[in-house]
Amino acid sequence: EPEVTQTPSHQVTQMGQEVILRCVPISNHLYFYWYRQILGQKVEFLVSFYNNEISEKSEIFDDQFSVERPDGSNFTLKIRSTKLEDSAMYFCASSTTGYGYTFGSGTRLTVV
Amino acid sequence: KNEVEQSPQNLTAQEGEFITINCSYSVGISALHWLQQHPGGGIVSLFMLSSGKKKHGRLIATINIQEKHSSLHITASHPRDSAVYICAVLPTSGTYKYIFGTGTRLKELA
Repeated sequence: EPEVTQTPSHQVTQMGQEVILRCVPISNHLYFYWYRQILGQKVEFLVSFYNNEISEKSEIFDDQFSVERPDGSNFTLKIRSTKLEDSAMYFCASSTTGYGYTFGSGTRLTVV
Repeated sequence: KNEVEQSPQNLTAQEGEFITINCSYSVGISALHWLQQHPGGGIVSLFMLSSGKKKHGRLIATINIQEKHSSLHITASHPRDSAVYICAVLPTSGTYKYIFGTGTRLKELA
């Protein structure tokens, strides 16, 4: 069964550093998403991406965050200057229609 | 007020029990997802529902659109079912972003 692949599975970074979280969505999917889950809290929407542009973003997704689909297969989330409160599990998801998602297994980001 | 509420928050079950997890939501929806999150953190989609009932193995999911309520049942529960079960809804407001519940933590005792 096709999978959404996320790398790395765990990343530790110093506060203030830039991080790039990578995702390979399912090849024929058109809609791409990033969600995050702070430890002990519920999953929150960050951003959706369709037709090579952001279609929707949450209040969390401020100027520190950006997304790219650099080569037609990868979908990346960049955090420019990490803060302690960015520590969370980040999930990528993709979909053909925008309704049913396939989630990746997540990247656990720890900012120290 | 949370738009998606789940109950119970925590559940302990003996092997072989019939488990029910409930999800109530306050918005109009076009789809509802039941998801499973294992201790490592990864999320697996179990069901996507827009009406009626779906069954897969020992898992059954039902939805009542009029009542704004869905249930996930596990028949003959097993220790490997230990996980957090999450309900997520897709509002009809023209958005493609899901709203997640806080999850139900199921602990199975052998």
